Amino acid sequence: NAGVTQTPKFQVLKTGQSMTLQCAQDMNHEYMSWYRQDPGMGLRLIHYSVGAGITDQGEVPNGYNVSRSTTEDFPLRLLSAAPSQTSVYFCASSDHPFTYEQYFGPGTRLTVT
Amino acid sequence: GEDVEQSLFLSVREGDSSVINCTYTDSSSTYLYWYKQEPGAGLQLLTYIFSNMDMKQDQRLTVLLNKKDKHLSLRIADTQTGDSAIYFCALRDGGYNKLIFGAGTRLAVHP
Repeated sequence: NAGVTQTPKFQVLKTGQSMTLQCAQDMNHEYMSWYRQDPGMGLRLIHYSVGAGITDQGEVPNGYNVSRSTTEDFPLRLLSAAPSQTSVYFCASSDHPFTYEQYFGPGTRLTVT
Repeated sequence: GEDVEQSLFLSVREGDSSVINCTYTDSSSTYLYWYKQEPGAGLQLLTYIFSNMDMKQDQRLTVLLNKKDKHLSLRIADTQTGDSAIYFCALRDGGYNKLIFGAGTRLAVHP
């Protein structure tokens, strides 16, 4: 099993550009989530999904969209990038809603200039 | 909302014990976790404890939970250079399907 994979590893965007961060898992997990990690702030939940076709907002959803058309994939879209979205983004999956182990991807480091 | 606090930095000598502390505000959290993040990598679950437990031991790791003081600690015995990483305390938000993370404690192990 590859576990949770994320692409790209690094990305530089200009303000106003859009892009999609990809996340895929091959463990047949129902629950997937996106976090952002900023220095001194730990991880903050952006969006999460409890199954295909079902998504919900986390703590910091503004500026981000998600969809979950399959169990395996959970892409995160930035519609109009802003410097405040410069961060490291982690995707995670689990087979229970946050009560057991979450498996994290390696992260995407995004810089918005 | 829930608040989780950790000290940001801890330095220990190789072979000594490390104790990483975490305090929280929401007493309804049912699951409390410790995650480890090595440089350039995602988070990896180290251990977890249910709120009805006071202590959990797993090889070199000991987790202590003081519910009265809302204090969680992670003790690493015989700390090694490979233990150098950032350690995150996390709690399940009592009413919602989300984890609340502390800011992380960077553990530096020196010879």
